[in-house]
Amino acid sequence: GQNIDQPTEMTATEGAIVQINCTYQTSGFNGLFWYQQHAGEAPTFLSYNVLDGLEEKGRFSSFLSRSKGYSYLLLKELQMKDSASYLCAVKGEGTASKLTFGTGTRLQVTL
Amino acid sequence: DVKVTQSSRYLVKRTGEKVFLECVQDMDHENMFWYRQDPGLGLRLIYFSYDVKMKEKGDIPEGYSVSREKKERFSLILESASTNQTSMYLCASSLGGPEPQHFGDGTRLSIL
Repeated sequence: GQNIDQPTEMTATEGAIVQINCTYQTSGFNGLFWYQQHAGEAPTFLSYNVLDGLEEKGRFSSFLSRSKGYSYLLLKELQMKDSASYLCAVKGEGTASKLTFGTGTRLQVTL
Repeated sequence: DVKVTQSSRYLVKRTGEKVFLECVQDMDHENMFWYRQDPGLGLRLIYFSYDVKMKEKGDIPEGYSVSREKKERFSLILESASTNQTSMYLCASSLGGPEPQHFGDGTRLSIL
């Protein structure tokens, strides 16, 4: 099975940098996804890591260490609109790109 | 852009009713998924399908069934609705491999 841990809530200031961590223990691993979900809306895809290292996409970056079962999402130059939940999801081996999600980290960006 | 459409945003049903939640995707994706999302529990997979007429149980299939008669449509069925099935239900589809899942807007279902 899969076990995924991420902090429940975080608060950060507009313009700052925040790092959201995700640790996982899995019986198989075939990639890790990060999603953003604003309240009352659908999750939207942010990033995908399958190899160790950093993937950068504008203000957002995601890092993976497979040997440590660890990933983080880095958000730079925070904006008020970044206030949302951030979901870490691990893709196991086998059919149909099945994902197991963490419970999500609610980020509050303040002035 | 991928479009995943769920038939209702809000639905209120009574205990014991048979409830159908419909999901349609327009990108010819093989894989489709049904999740429920509850506070503190995150997204939990109910059922998924990797081809027409194929289905597999997810982590919490009890009390639910699914139907996939056409590639673009994946239906979730609550055979006899109960109050503990009050939740947000999210449908998703994907191409597979490294491609992400794309989600519909969700159906907030209340069972009274």
